[in-house]
Amino acid sequence: SAVISQKPSRDICQRGTSLTIQCQVDSQVTMMFWYRQQPGQSLTLIATANQGSEATYESGFVIDKFPISRPNLTFSTLTVSNMSPEDSSIYLCSVVSGSDEQYFGPGTRLTVT
Amino acid sequence: AQKVTQAQTEISVVEKEDVTLDCVYETRDTTYYLFWYKQPPSGELVFLIRRNSFDEQNEISGRYSWNFQKSTSSFNFTITASQVVDSAVYFCALSPTSGTYKYIFGTGTRLKVLA
Repeated sequence: SAVISQKPSRDICQRGTSLTIQCQVDSQVTMMFWYRQQPGQSLTLIATANQGSEATYESGFVIDKFPISRPNLTFSTLTVSNMSPEDSSIYLCSVVSGSDEQYFGPGTRLTVT
Repeated sequence: AQKVTQAQTEISVVEKEDVTLDCVYETRDTTYYLFWYKQPPSGELVFLIRRNSFDEQNEISGRYSWNFQKSTSSFNFTITASQVVDSAVYFCALSPTSGTYKYIFGTGTRLKVLA
């Protein structure tokens, strides 16, 4: 299995600001993803982070709001831009291991006031 | 369309009781994976099991067991002799076996095990 870390683990941000979340994996992985889990809800896939190219976004998510970078095979960032209270969620990155199993990071708990 | 339904929003049991968490899925894919994850209060998602649609054998791992029935599109999860540490939200998920690794998650079942 892969060991995944995320920074920050939690943050409280003001409306209108932006926050960048980092995801670091202890080994090179091909597939990395970003999910959102709104309070009391299930997980929703935001996008696939592609190494060296633009991320692939799911329906309802756009690059201007959630820009993603993936400069190499072990690291990715997700920015939540121009935040509103509706963006308060847990944001999780995930990776697919060599055995095709998906592992999740510890999550970043974001509260927007 | 693909969909995962976990009809039980919350279950409370007393320690040492057995409990079954239900998962019903819909997919048009002929091959797919099913998963269970545990999300304790700390928030991280812990991988529990992956099952290929071709493998309908039930699986047991310690106090955990899974019953996969393709005929009813169900993949239920049973905890035997539950413990307080089992208290968490449990998610069932579905994905195709090829390509995208895009998971469709159910809405989760919150399990409370009371001492």
